[in-house]
Amino acid sequence: KAGVTQTPRYLIKTRGQQVTLSCSPISGHRSVSWYQQTPGQGLQFLFEYFSETQRNKGNFPGRFSGRQFSNSRSEMNVSTLELGDSALYLCASSLTTDTGELFFGEGSRLTVL
Amino acid sequence: AQSVAQPEDQVNVAEGNPLTVKCTYSVSGNPYLFWYVQYPNRGLQFLLKYITGDNLVKGSYGFEAEFNKSQTSFHLKKPSALVSDSALYFCAVRDDNQGGKLIFGQGTELSVKP
Repeated sequence: KAGVTQTPRYLIKTRGQQVTLSCSPISGHRSVSWYQQTPGQGLQFLFEYFSETQRNKGNFPGRFSGRQFSNSRSEMNVSTLELGDSALYLCASSLTTDTGELFFGEGSRLTVL
Repeated sequence: AQSVAQPEDQVNVAEGNPLTVKCTYSVSGNPYLFWYVQYPNRGLQFLLKYITGDNLVKGSYGFEAEFNKSQTSFHLKKPSALVSDSALYFCAVRDDNQGGKLIFGQGTELSVKP
């Protein structure tokens, strides 16, 4: 069974640009969560989607948005990039929304110059 | 608010020795606790969880964790460390007041030397 796939793995952007990251969950998993990982803040929850609906949202500004498609694939978008958005963005999938057993992708490492 | 704390940024252990990675929690209600491991340049991998029942939980790769309600702790343990156990370890709690999302600790870097 294929794992969680995130694309792209690495990307470099400049301030003010926008970026879209993609996540394909494990087949059959309907819940997708996104986390931002930085050395200073650790793992911060961004949002969670289940069956195309956002169930939960973390404390991030409106520049951070996401969506989920009918095939459970998810995308997150960050607009008007800032230097502080440089981070590893991790996607995780699970069968349901409340097991706590998340399956993580390898992440998309974003560098903002 | 639910939270977990990992008091040690780094733990150093000699190969073959037992290891402990500490985690304390603060929750209202019953705690649902987890341990995850992250190897360099990889995503997190689930190790084990405590929901209810036996206080000693066994997980992947020979790891186990002990739930202690009186000390509000959920320490990760392994009887004999391997060099390949070197990684970043995260404790997490499920926040049922916020839709069941996981709240992670800051992480503990485990270094096992030969």
